[in-house]
Amino acid sequence: AQSVTQPDIHITVSEGASLELRCNYSYGATPYLFWYVQSPGQGLQLLLKYFSGDTLVQGIKGFEAEFKRSQSSFNLRKPSVHWSDAAEYFCAVGLNNDMRFGAGTRLTVKP
Amino acid sequence: SQTIHQWPATLVQPVGSPLSLECTVEGTSNPNLYWYRQAAGRGLQLLFYSVGIGQISSEVPQNLSASRPQDRQFILSSKKLLLSDSGFYLCAWSSGPPNEKLLFGSGTQLSVL
Repeated sequence: AQSVTQPDIHITVSEGASLELRCNYSYGATPYLFWYVQSPGQGLQLLLKYFSGDTLVQGIKGFEAEFKRSQSSFNLRKPSVHWSDAAEYFCAVGLNNDMRFGAGTRLTVKP
Repeated sequence: SQTIHQWPATLVQPVGSPLSLECTVEGTSNPNLYWYRQAAGRGLQLLFYSVGIGQISSEVPQNLSASRPQDRQFILSSKKLLLSDSGFYLCAWSSGPPNEKLLFGSGTQLSVL
């Protein structure tokens, strides 16, 4: 069955530390891939997207993500986390006129 | 530039009361429009989508309905709210297929008591 999995429900990192949020998908073909961020009580903001080409994608706010076809993964990374990065992060995949979201990973940033 | 407006931001309604949430898009024409629900601690569930005026597709059976009376207006409704309707409702739009990019409104937090 087609699915999007974010294995980590909650991650806590210290400010200034590096971050990696995991995302795996299960589809018959390579879908379009996205990462969205949601601050409390707000809508979702698009961080970055991958359609084709270079598998390392740069996004806003210093985030990047790498598509690995062999692992069906699209992990989100940031070299140095800021306190303002605390939010919920959603991986999403788009295929065949459909968009599906993972359950989200909540990021807490310690001072 | 394109913007999406969603209101109200928060809503507290008693069980059995009606519901109407409105979403409008500016700066584009003939958008694809979507309603998502996000339950506490869970991901997003697609409720309805519309590719044109009067065209509504429902993803899951439920107590809710949607209507698109105008090109850039999308309304989520219920005749009688249930406790299980509580959640965070997000409107979104896309200019093309949804698998290319979705842009979201700021959401409505609905509490049914």
